[in-house]
Amino acid sequence: AQRVTQPEKLLSVFKGAPVELKCNYSYSGSPELFWYVQYSRQRLQLLLRHISRESIKGFTADLNKGETSFHLKKPFAQEEDSAMYYCALSRTDSWGKLQFGAGTQVVVTP
Amino acid sequence: EAGVVQSPRYKIIEKKQPVAFWCNPISGHNTLYWYLQNLGQGPELLIRYENEEAVDDSQLPKDRFSAERLKGVDSTLKIQPAELGDSAVYLCASSYGTGNTGELFFGEGSRLTVL
Repeated sequence: AQRVTQPEKLLSVFKGAPVELKCNYSYSGSPELFWYVQYSRQRLQLLLRHISRESIKGFTADLNKGETSFHLKKPFAQEEDSAMYYCALSRTDSWGKLQFGAGTQVVVTP
Repeated sequence: EAGVVQSPRYKIIEKKQPVAFWCNPISGHNTLYWYLQNLGQGPELLIRYENEEAVDDSQLPKDRFSAERLKGVDSTLKIQPAELGDSAVYLCASSYGTGNTGELFFGEGSRLTVL
């Protein structure tokens, strides 16, 4: 069975500092990885997906199959980045059945 | 666009009582999902519908949980009888097609408290 691990429950950073959210997964097949974000009083929404290889709101994430990781990074954190971030994995034979990590709360202080 | 609409937003009941949650997906989205989110955890899939067919309900505790999606649009998730451990947020989501882009659109959730 697949598993997604986010080792940090809380990440506190200063504005302008780099931020990295760790995500490790276990899955024997070829997964699709995503980052979802939930801002305060808003609904859960997709931030980015690895297959798109895009940068959203300054965030990037690289899939490292050797280390089975999909860490989320941003070089300069902003206060509006404060949110709950979830790493999620989907099997290509079961789209939509996202396996979520427990989430990392990011707090950016001025 | 309103997005995925869920009701009620909050529900408090006593154990052994029944409860039902309703979801209206985004217009045109044929795939609908019910996820369960316990405190401090990520969402976990309970059931997934493609149109009116439940294509994945392996995680749904069928002794007390039931779901339906009549006419392939709105969906209802029911718990009868509720137990203390059912206290959680029930999230509904929808996607266009089979969700193979990985982009699910979530509702605001229904927070259940069982006393």
